[in-house]
Amino acid sequence: DIQMTQSPSSLSASVGDRVTITCRASQGISNYLAWYQQKPGKVPKLLIYAASTLQSGVPSRFSGSGSGTDFALTISSLQPEDVATYYCQNYNSAGFKTFGPGTKVDIK
Amino acid sequence: EVQLAESGGGLIQPGGSLSLSCAASGFTFSNYAMSWVRQAPGKGLEWVSTISGSGGTTYYADSVKGRFTISRDNSKNTMYLQMNSLTAVDTAIYYCAKDRNDVGSSSNYWGQGTLVTVSS
Repeated sequence: DIQMTQSPSSLSASVGDRVTITCRASQGISNYLAWYQQKPGKVPKLLIYAASTLQSGVPSRFSGSGSGTDFALTISSLQPEDVATYYCQNYNSAGFKTFGPGTKVDIK
Repeated sequence: EVQLAESGGGLIQPGGSLSLSCAASGFTFSNYAMSWVRQAPGKGLEWVSTISGSGGTTYYADSVKGRFTISRDNSKNTMYLQMNSLTAVDTAIYYCAKDRNDVGSSSNYWGQGTLVTVSS
């Protein structure tokens, strides 16, 4: 089974800071990687799929990169409304999906 | 507008069974895989199961395999999750989600979730 890890588990940054969250797969997953944002008390929202493709309607300050085993989600200029927990997810043609443990982002 | 509405959650005793439904609208239901994802209180997201657009192929997390059954009725635009032999670890909000394509894609729309509590 593919395992997903994320780092850090939480972070606190100032408004306007550049924030990067990393996600690592236990084996190569090509670009079958999505990022979700879950604000407190809300439903998860798809931000990025295929490792780097921005979902329609998502602000351009969010970007994704990586391939194989190492991936990153970057917020170029952190905004107060970005306070949330961010999850990476591997999905594959075999039908199985695995979420990372999440990274909680707060404003300093 | 895509809408997903889960129902069927509630309080159930350990060892019991429960059936969840997810009513979908706003898209051609049979063209897309659908998934169930759960979130235990204060915990992260856990993928539970996915069903192909035709309903002919199903996938399960190891934690629910043999106890849960996913199905869909494309004539009713509805997906189901039959949950048997429930234990406390199954306590969670259960979300239904529409996948971006058929099997092997991320989930671009989510319902509001239905809470399942397994307790005596």
